[in-house]
Amino acid sequence: DADVTQTPRNRITKTGKRIMLECSQTKGHDRMYWYRQDPGLGLRLIYYSFDVKDINKGEISDGYSVSRQAQAKFSLSLESAIPNQTALYFCATSAGQLDQPQHFGDGTRLSIL
Amino acid sequence: GQNIDQPTEMTATEGAIVQINCTYQTSGFNGLFWYQQHAGEAPTFLSYNVLDGLEEKGRFSSFLSRSKGYSYLLLKELQMKDSASYLCAVKATNDYKLSFGAGTTVTVRA
Repeated sequence: DADVTQTPRNRITKTGKRIMLECSQTKGHDRMYWYRQDPGLGLRLIYYSFDVKDINKGEISDGYSVSRQAQAKFSLSLESAIPNQTALYFCATSAGQLDQPQHFGDGTRLSIL
Repeated sequence: GQNIDQPTEMTATEGAIVQINCTYQTSGFNGLFWYQQHAGEAPTFLSYNVLDGLEEKGRFSSFLSRSKGYSYLLLKELQMKDSASYLCAVKATNDYKLSFGAGTTVTVRA
């Protein structure tokens, strides 16, 4: 079983719809992150959380919100989806030491028509 | 903001060596990571450098020069399965965020 699980893996929806992407982890990490990946732009940080009561904006948080329901769960919401939010979304986790890498889920491919 | 540059694409022959360069200009430095990402899949961790010098892990090596703001990833004895995108990421401040370069797509030809 994957250590970092994202659901759904693929989603096609229409402009204006509310969408939630979910991430759960069994690694026991406190730190969780949401990124989006677009061709030629690399991974860009949307939101991150260092523990259950901690939520921080990343570089491109406009149009998104998050919820850290438990140590193991971090969800990303698009309140009113727009076509330029079409992208590949990744959840990641990391342990508490600076030299520890982030571990990524398999991604959610989101298309907004 | 953070500025991390790497070439967009590289092509090499099976069995050869390829060097992927990464230059960075960031506010502070607390380590540099290299990730491998096959098309449509999750990035996976390859290497970490925080001190100057070379780190070797099997066929892959990574080098860092902090004074030059420069790193490279060296892939030796290339195999077809090494065809992937390679991402350079810098931990700029004393927290846990990473800033990523756009990635270098390496194509290995037979």
